[in-house]
Amino acid sequence: EAQVTQNPRYLITVTGKKLTVTCSQNMNHEYMSWYRQDPGLGLRQIYYSMNVEVTDKGDVPEGYKVSRKEKRNFPLILESPSPNQTSLYFCASSSGQAYTEAFFGQGTRLTVV
Amino acid sequence: KNEVEQSPQNLTAQEGEFITINCSYSVGISALHWLQQHPGGGIVSLFMLSSGKKKHGRLIATINIQEKHSSLHITASHPRDSAVYICAGSLGGSQGNLIFGKGTKLSVKP
Repeated sequence: EAQVTQNPRYLITVTGKKLTVTCSQNMNHEYMSWYRQDPGLGLRQIYYSMNVEVTDKGDVPEGYKVSRKEKRNFPLILESPSPNQTSLYFCASSSGQAYTEAFFGQGTRLTVV
Repeated sequence: KNEVEQSPQNLTAQEGEFITINCSYSVGISALHWLQQHPGGGIVSLFMLSSGKKKHGRLIATINIQEKHSSLHITASHPRDSAVYICAGSLGGSQGNLIFGKGTKLSVKP
């Protein structure tokens, strides 16, 4: 089954404690992206990757890092989380070609206290 | 500036009603996606449109390229249709990147 898998689904952490949210897709997609979703603001792009070792900033990259060492994985790293990073996070993937569907993970609800 | 505008923001309907959600988008967007998000759930892709019309069950999506407008219709609505519906545009030069509307929260009452 084609899917994007994010872990964990829920996470409560303390300010400053480094964390990683994993994302994996099994469709051999070249394009992967991370978004955060906040009430009233909708979905905003954090980082995206067009292929292995190719990443770029989205609209709200501050406080986040990513890496793309393998095609299937695209982890989101928060080196020093702060309360304003409390949000619902989604990973997504697509082939990156014209007129193709995007696939989303189930989401990770992060709370930073 | 690339933009996607959705309306209405909130919509309440009675079971069985015909529902329409609208989406307008700016120049530079080459395809339109309709997504569904249930409370506490992930995001599911319903349709991807670059022209014409698509139908899946009780859901119909249309797009008018000249007017840069798309609609999502739900026929014979049911409480299980209650969700947030999001339209998103693919940028022409970068097919993976999506520009999202703010979403329409639909509540269907029995």
